[in-house]
Amino acid sequence: SQKIEQNSEALNIQEGKTATLTCNYTNYSPAYLQWYRQDPGRGPVFLLLIRENEKEKRKERLKVTFDTTLKQSLFHITASQPADSATYLCALSGGSYIPTFGRGTSLIVHP
Amino acid sequence: EAGVAQSPRYKIIEKRQSVAFWCNPISGHATLYWYQQILGQGPKLLIQFQNNGVVDDSQLPKDRFSAERLKGVDSTLKIQPAKLEDSAVYLCASSLAGSIDSPLHFGNGTRLTVT
Repeated sequence: SQKIEQNSEALNIQEGKTATLTCNYTNYSPAYLQWYRQDPGRGPVFLLLIRENEKEKRKERLKVTFDTTLKQSLFHITASQPADSATYLCALSGGSYIPTFGRGTSLIVHP
Repeated sequence: EAGVAQSPRYKIIEKRQSVAFWCNPISGHATLYWYQQILGQGPKLLIQFQNNGVVDDSQLPKDRFSAERLKGVDSTLKIQPAKLEDSAVYLCASSLAGSIDSPLHFGNGTRLTVT
């Protein structure tokens, strides 16, 4: 069956460091992969989209990589700040044209 | 631009009662989604509309859940009768087009508690 895996354990890092979050998938051939941020009590907010033929995408302090051979995407936040603390969700889109979400990984940036 | 509006923000009902949620998408967005998010999990799609037509409702429990999108704008999601396992946040999202690279814009959801 199709599966999207994100670390269920929270990632704790110090302010100023680079945070790296992982999204792995199986039995899927997504054409697109999206990353969203979700704060408590709020809906997810779109951050970045990367296509299957793109290796890397950047936006300000954010960087996403997409390895269709490893079936993995990495999401990096450089120079992290306490305000970056949130849950980060990856979502895959494929032939169904419907974004399917992972469970998300909680990031906690300590001052 | 105004975001996706949802109401109510919170709802508490007893099992076997009915409940309805309302969503007003971003103006001009043709595609509307309803997702269910259980605590600690990612959003799970219930139904997708393109204008006022249903694109996918394969994961909607049709014996108790129904949804409509009148005139291709606002949408309502109804549960009747509710079960304890329906306790979750119900998120509405919209996108400009139905293509798979269109980002989703979410509302802040309705938190439903079934007792």
